[in-house]
Amino acid sequence: AQSVTQLGSHVSVSEGALVLLRCNYSSSVPPYLFWYVQYPNQGLQLLLKYTSAATLVKGINGFEAEFKKSETSFHLTKPSAHMSDAAEYFCAVSVTNQAGTALIFGKGTTLSVSS
Amino acid sequence: EAGVTQSPTHLIKTRGQQATLRCSPISGHTSVYWYQQALGLGLQFLLWYDEGEERNRGNFPPRFSGRQFPNYSSELNVNALELEDSALYLCASSWPGTDEKLFFGSGTQLSVL
Repeated sequence: AQSVTQLGSHVSVSEGALVLLRCNYSSSVPPYLFWYVQYPNQGLQLLLKYTSAATLVKGINGFEAEFKKSETSFHLTKPSAHMSDAAEYFCAVSVTNQAGTALIFGKGTTLSVSS
Repeated sequence: EAGVTQSPTHLIKTRGQQATLRCSPISGHTSVYWYQQALGLGLQFLLWYDEGEERNRGNFPPRFSGRQFPNYSSELNVNALELEDSALYLCASSWPGTDEKLFFGSGTQLSVL
């Protein structure tokens, strides 16, 4: 069954530091992978998605993620954290069966940014 | 353009009662998805409706049900509420045929006492 595992429920960084949020997937077929962000009291917003066109995917707000098949990983990075990046981040995989497609999310990683 | 709207924002019920949550998708979106975000469990897929029909269902008991109306808005009904149903329920919508890019509402916080 397709699934994603996010390593670390909480990540804390200083402003200006590198952000690295880890996601590993499990899939028997080439997956579609996503990162979503949820700011406080808001719904989820798509950051970026991987659809096999390129292994390095650039998203909004300076985030990017690299698909590594050998490591079954899709880690999210940002070179320099801003205070406004503090939010909860979800990795997701697209799951398709004969009925259709849905997104399966990881448990989320809360990013804290300190000044 | 209005985003996905959900109502109510907060809902407080007691065990055994029924809850009805509502969602209006972005104009032009025909697919509506429901997710449950419970503390410590992340986002779990509940239901997917498209063109008025249930297309897919997550691993939830039958007391979780819903429907999609001709205007593509949707209701999620939870019968015989249990304490562990307390969670944030998120609705998302997407364009036809592009169900991987979802636009989410802000959610309904359901508290079961």
